[in-house]
Order: sequence, then C-alpha cells, then structure tokens
Amino acid sequence: EVQLVESGGGLVQPGGSLRLSCAASGFTVTNNYMSWVRQAPGKGLEWVSVIYSGGGNTYYADSVKGRFTISRHNSKNTLYLQMNSLRAEDTAVYYCARGDLTGEWPPTFDYWGQGTLVTVSS
Amino acid sequence: QSVLTQPPSVSGAPGQRVTISCTGSSSNIGAGYDVHWYQQLPGTAPKLLIYGNNNRPSGVPDRFSGSKSGTSASLAITGLQAEDEADYYCQSYDSSLSGWVFGGGTKLTVL
Repeated sequence: EVQLVESGGGLVQPGGSLRLSCAASGFTVTNNYMSWVRQAPGKGLEWVSVIYSGGGNTYYADSVKGRFTISRHNSKNTLYLQMNSLRAEDTAVYYCARGDLTGEWPPTFDYWGQGTLVTVSS
Repeated sequence: QSVLTQPPSVSGAPGQRVTISCTGSSSNIGAGYDVHWYQQLPGTAPKLLIYGNNNRPSGVPDRFSGSKSGTSASLAITGLQAEDEADYYCQSYDSSLSGWVFGGGTKLTVL
C-alpha cells in the first residue's frame, strides 16, 4: 500500500529555517516525480517544487526559488524540503505528493500525504 | 492570481449536472499538456479525480468526467450527491514557468 507521511512542520519566526520530511512506503521515491504542494489557510493549492525520477533534476516555483531546496534520501526512501529565509506568506499546510507519469506530460499527483502545517510568525 | 482560471463557486441540486471550467493559455493547456482534476473534501488532502484529461482512477464513480479542448478543460459531475460537496482543482504544466500549475479552485455546493 502506498503511503506518504509528512513531518517537521511547526511555528518558526520570520527569517528562520525548517526542514520537512516525507517518509514514503509501498513504492520507491527515486522512480517517481516527487513534489511538494502547499495550501495557505483558506486558499488554493500551490505547487512548490519537484525532484525528477532517476537523475533527480529539481525545479521550483518562483515564489520559493533560492530559499527552498528539495532533496531525497534513497536508502531511507524519504523526500525532504529545506526551507530557509521563511516569510509570513510561506505559512501553509505542506503536502508531499507522488507524481506518476502514466500518459502524456505532466505526471499526475496520484498519492498525497496528510500534510504538515508550517506557521511563520513572530 | 492563478495561471489556470476556474469559477470560484458552482452549485446544483441533488441529481442535477454541473460543470466546472478550467481556462489556460498557449503555454499550458493550449500547448497540449494533460489536465488533471482533484477533489478536496473539507479538512482532508486532495484526491485524484480525473487524470490525463478524461480518465478516472479506480474507485471514482463514472458520474465524474473530464474533457479538454484548445486552451480549456472541463469537469462534469452528473447525478449530484451531497457527498460531492467539496473543492475541485484543475492542474497542468506550464512551459514558460517550467513547473506545475493549479487552478484557483472551485467550491461545489449541493443545494
């Protein structure tokens, strides 16, 4: 059974850092396009970052480029999001999602974690 | 402001049919990229509803269907039920942004 379990969220001051983790089971993260998607309180979904299957190319939304870093640990089958220079507007529930390329581009987010809340406030 | 445009809300009575539009541009839907749809029930993570424009994952009722034409896509829900009340999001890829894009979301109310 495919499962994604996020952790690492919490309260952090503006300018601070936080690292989110997403432990995967039932599949291998290196074989999929793993993404982080966030949702600010009462708002819609916003794609944050992706790490490609295989070689692991990474891409970011303009809103987080230069501040966030996505990575994975192959033997732990875990996805990470290192978030630096956090701002109030980064406050959101952060979901990790598995991207599965079954047809044409782009991959589908077929499995999602339960989300972890990040609050940036003084 | 989202790259893909959806109506903020739609509503319908039980048993009726509703559609939700998703309008993009030549750098995303119009470029030929697939559109996927997600359903988000209150307080839960999004769930895949339609993939590859018009395909349903196992377990999704055939009351849900998707279509795509030009720079737009649509989600149709027939035989509305109370449990369909949720937020719905379209998603695709944008070549000018080199990333995934979502619509702003549509809140479906079953009257």
